[in-house]
Amino acid sequence: AQTVTQSQPEMSVQEAETVTLSCTYDTSESDYYLFWYKQPPSRQMILVIRQEAYKQQNATENRFSVNFQKAAKSFSLKISDSQLGDAAMYFCAYRHLTGTASKLTFGTGTRLQVTL
Amino acid sequence: ETGVTQTPRHLVMGMTNKKSLKCEQHLGHNAMYWYKQSAKKPLELMFVYSLEERVENNSVPSRFSPECPNSSHLFLHLHTLQPEDSALYLCASSLTRTMGNEKLFFGSGTQLSVL
Repeated sequence: AQTVTQSQPEMSVQEAETVTLSCTYDTSESDYYLFWYKQPPSRQMILVIRQEAYKQQNATENRFSVNFQKAAKSFSLKISDSQLGDAAMYFCAYRHLTGTASKLTFGTGTRLQVTL
Repeated sequence: ETGVTQTPRHLVMGMTNKKSLKCEQHLGHNAMYWYKQSAKKPLELMFVYSLEERVENNSVPSRFSPECPNSSHLFLHLHTLQPEDSALYLCASSLTRTMGNEKLFFGSGTQLSVL
């Protein structure tokens, strides 16, 4: 079974600085997708960024980028120029390509604090 | 606002009560999901509906009963719950359930407390 591990329960970053959130996963599949979801205090989870495993190029979305290391099964999220609105829980998630395509496997989350 | 609305936002119920959680989306999506979010645990997928047909039930106890009367509405009926069922229940939707990179749209959840 696939597992997703987020080893940092909490992280803190100063406004305008850069922070990296870690995620590792375990799978025997070669084709899959990886996601980072953000859950602010409003509780509504929103997609931050996604990566297809067959793509070597790291995904970027404005201030958010990933460092995808397929061999190491690592998928970290980098937030540049951190803003107060970035404070939230961040969840890493995995979905394999075949089989039960609808099933996302989530990590336990990292709570990010942004300080002035 | 992601277009997925959940009510109520908070719910406190006794173990003998019967209550229902409601989820509504007007995004034209064909797949809807119930997730359970407990502290310090990964989100757990409970049920998946595709075109109003239940396509997945992840070994959820029968005290949770889902209903999908149409592609825009999803309910979770609760009865004789246990205190360990206290959690945040999230509804989500997606255009289909077959695309691996598909984005899920979540509601704000119902925070359930079982006394």
